[in-house]
Amino acid sequence: GQQVMQIPQYQHVQEGEDFTTYCNSSTTLSNIQWYKQRPGGHPVFLIQLVKSGEVKKQKRLTFQFGEAKKNSSLHITATQTTDVGTYFCAGVTGGGNKLTFGTGTQLKVEL
Amino acid sequence: NAGVTQTPKFRVLKTGQSMTLLCAQDMNHEYMYWYRQDPGMGLRLIHYSVGEGTTAKGEVPDGYNVSRLKKQNFLLGLESAAPSQTSVYFCASSRGNRNQPQHFGDGTRLSIL
Repeated sequence: GQQVMQIPQYQHVQEGEDFTTYCNSSTTLSNIQWYKQRPGGHPVFLIQLVKSGEVKKQKRLTFQFGEAKKNSSLHITATQTTDVGTYFCAGVTGGGNKLTFGTGTQLKVEL
Repeated sequence: NAGVTQTPKFRVLKTGQSMTLLCAQDMNHEYMYWYRQDPGMGLRLIHYSVGEGTTAKGEVPDGYNVSRLKKQNFLLGLESAAPSQTSVYFCASSRGNRNQPQHFGDGTRLSIL
């Protein structure tokens, strides 16, 4: 079945440093979504990418969808303590109607 | 707006007991989902529903049953709980299928002793 892997599994940064998480799928994705889960909370939708090579920005967050639509990345510039949480990518293949979630990257930010 | 509400929030069961987790959404969403979240494994889809009266298996359906008798409710049942079902369970809903964001409830923390 479809597998979506994320690296790294954990990332510990100093406040102000940049952070990137990578998402890789074993199959071509029709679209990819990104979610953030705060500690003890539930996943919250951040953004969706649909087109090959698409880049979207939300303030300090930059999301990219690979040319082959099999990988994606989330980059946070100048991390803040409010960025703490686990970031998940989730993709859909072909004509499917289910999301397959990645394994997630847990981000910790130190002052 | 309540969004997606899950009950109960916490529960401890003994092996072999049964229980039902309730999910209710007030957004008139067609699609509803049940996931389990275990450390290091992300979210895994148990069952989902594309509309009232319909259900389908997800990635890890064994040991669970679901029902969608009303559009706003999606029930997850454990007939005979096992320690391997200790997890955090999340319900989610979406307006449509793959191109729509999913809205999650706060989760149910379930421990099976």
